[in-house]
Amino acid sequence: DAGVTQSPTHLIKTRGQQVTLRCSPKSGHDTVSWYQQALGQGPQFIFQYYEEEERQRGNFPDRFSGHQFPNYSSELNVNALLLGDSALYLCASSLRAGLTDTQYFGPGTRLTVL
Amino acid sequence: AQRVTQPEKLLSVFKGAPVELKCNYSYSGSPELFWYVQYSRQRLQLLLRHISRESIKGFTADLNKGETSFHLKKPFAQEEDSAMYYCALRGGFKTIFGAGTRLFVKA
Repeated sequence: DAGVTQSPTHLIKTRGQQVTLRCSPKSGHDTVSWYQQALGQGPQFIFQYYEEEERQRGNFPDRFSGHQFPNYSSELNVNALLLGDSALYLCASSLRAGLTDTQYFGPGTRLTVL
Repeated sequence: AQRVTQPEKLLSVFKGAPVELKCNYSYSGSPELFWYVQYSRQRLQLLLRHISRESIKGFTADLNKGETSFHLKKPFAQEEDSAMYYCALRGGFKTIFGAGTRLFVKA
């Protein structure tokens, strides 16, 4: 099991463009959470997907949207990119996100907005 | 406001010395507290959680609800403990991370 995988590894975009990041959860996991990690900061919760629905959302604008597919993989979409969106985007998967589950993190996608 | 504060960005200790990484939280309710660790060139991973009340790699953390703290401790630091440590709390399905403390254990 490769664990949580994310693609692409790195991405460079310009302001105003749109980007899609992808995440495949660890085998057997059904819940995916997305985080944004700016340089020198801890990860910030964007949202969590379970059963193809957004279950909880952090303090991020509607420019950030997501999707979960029937195979539990997920996408994070960011529209109208701003310079401040430059960050490492982490995906974490877990099993049936009960309150005692363990999150497994992917390696992240480094997004640079110019 | 829900917040996790790690007051030290960098903590440097000698091998064999005790280490304590501080974490304070603010949350209206009963959160679940975690410590995550990221070793060089590795993924962020769970180190321990307060409900387990276990020692992992010699580290322990006690939840002090009165002081709203969840400090991470190890009596004798090892060089392989050098890493980035993040304190986190979960309320509902949302996990909130602190800014992290880089621990450097000197030989």
